[in-house]
Amino acid sequence: GDSVTQMEGPVTLSEEAFLTINCTYTATGYPSLFWYVQYPGEGLQLLLKATKADDKGSNKGFEATYRKETTSFHLEKGSVQVSDSAVYFCALSDDSGAGSYQLTFGKGTKLSVIP
Amino acid sequence: DVKVTQSSRYLVKRTGEKVFLECVQDMDHENMFWYRQDPGLGLRLIYFSYDVKMKEKGDIPEGYSVSREKKERFSLILESASTNQTSMYLCASSFGEGGELFFGEGSRLTVL
Repeated sequence: GDSVTQMEGPVTLSEEAFLTINCTYTATGYPSLFWYVQYPGEGLQLLLKATKADDKGSNKGFEATYRKETTSFHLEKGSVQVSDSAVYFCALSDDSGAGSYQLTFGKGTKLSVIP
Repeated sequence: DVKVTQSSRYLVKRTGEKVFLECVQDMDHENMFWYRQDPGLGLRLIYFSYDVKMKEKGDIPEGYSVSREKKERFSLILESASTNQTSMYLCASSFGEGGELFFGEGSRLTVL
């Protein structure tokens, strides 16, 4: 079945540092790929997505490129801020066969940014 | 603004009690989902529904059931709560294909 593997956390960075959170996936079809973010005490919200190979999703300074050859969707940001402290989830969407699309999530990576 | 509302943010129940977790969305979405979130395990799908009165098992349906009598409402039921069901429960909804989920804020359930 489909699966998502993302780097273990927690990750602690100083403000303005470069961020990379690795994500690789296994899927039988041609999934869409997502990064979701969960701020403390809140539900998840979509950060960015890519629907086909070589697409780049971007939002709030974060970027991720859908790499089919390496089955990866790594999240990057050039300069993190304290407000980026959150848990980040990589996910893929594939046809469940029941007419709906469910997501398979990675285990999450907790990021803490210190001033 | 789109909204998924979960009825309770925090619940404390005793072993053996019946527990209802309610979720309502105001976006006319066909698809609704229940996940549980545990440290080190990420999000695991319990049940989902792609239409009124339809339901499909996810990865960990044991010990749970669901009800979808109206399009906007999706309920998760624990018939007889157990301590291993202590967790954060997240409801989500989505429209058709594409997979973008909109999540509620979560319901943290503690079973004593």
